[in-house]
Amino acid sequence: QKEVEQDPGPLSVPEGAIVSLNCTYSNSAFQYFMWYRQYSRKGPELLMYTYSSGNKEDGRFTAQVDKSSKYISLFIRDSQPSDSATYLCAMRGTGGGNKLTFGTGTQLKVEL
Amino acid sequence: EAQVTQNPRYLITVTGKKLTVTCSQNMNHEYMSWYRQDPGLGLRQIYYSMNVEVTDKGDVPEGYKVSRKEKRNFPLILESPSPNQTSLYFCASREVGTSGKNEQFFGPGTRLTVL
Repeated sequence: QKEVEQDPGPLSVPEGAIVSLNCTYSNSAFQYFMWYRQYSRKGPELLMYTYSSGNKEDGRFTAQVDKSSKYISLFIRDSQPSDSATYLCAMRGTGGGNKLTFGTGTQLKVEL
Repeated sequence: EAQVTQNPRYLITVTGKKLTVTCSQNMNHEYMSWYRQDPGLGLRQIYYSMNVEVTDKGDVPEGYKVSRKEKRNFPLILESPSPNQTSLYFCASREVGTSGKNEQFFGPGTRLTVL
C-alpha cells in the first residue's frame, strides 16, 4: 500500500464549478502538507502549504488537513480553464532529509 | 529571476552510454534533490544533498550517482543507463530550516529516453 493515495482522475468540471481534490495517507509522522500544481511539460509549483491540522485559504484556493483522519483536501472555487493541470499532494515529517512523499497526482480539466 | 535550471531538457540515448544531467540554482539554497516522475508512481526521490559534499540516497537511488562540489550545482549521473531509467527527471532546491513558501522549488524537468 502506498503511503499517500490520490485519485488520478481525470476530473472534468465546467468553468465556475467548485473543485475538491483529496489525498489520504498512512504515515502519522507527516506534519507538513503541500499542494503542487503541474502544468503539462512543466515542473511542479507550490500552490498551498499547511502545517499540521487546520485550514488555509489563498484567494480561490483552500487547503484542509485532518490529521485524525489522515486526509487532506484542496478546494478550488470559481474554477477557471487556467486551473487545468495536474495537482499533486505532498507531505513530509520533520526529519528524513526533508524528503517529500508525493501522491500520484489528479488531472483536472476545467471546460468552457 | 530565482530559478532552478536543468540541462538538457530532452535526451534520447542508448543503453550503457554514460550521461550527466546538470542542475543549477541561483537562490543560494543549501538543500537540493533529484526526483523521477513515472505514470502511476508519482514523484520519487533519487538522491538529495543537505549541503556541499553532503549527499544521501532517496527512495530509488540504484543506477544513479550525484555530486555536490559547489552549492549551486547538483548533477545527476547515469553511469550505464538502462531502459528502466526512461523517465521525467526533476531537480529541486530549498533553504534548510525554513518551511511554508520555502518548500521545494522545482526545475522544468528533463525527459530522458534510454533505448
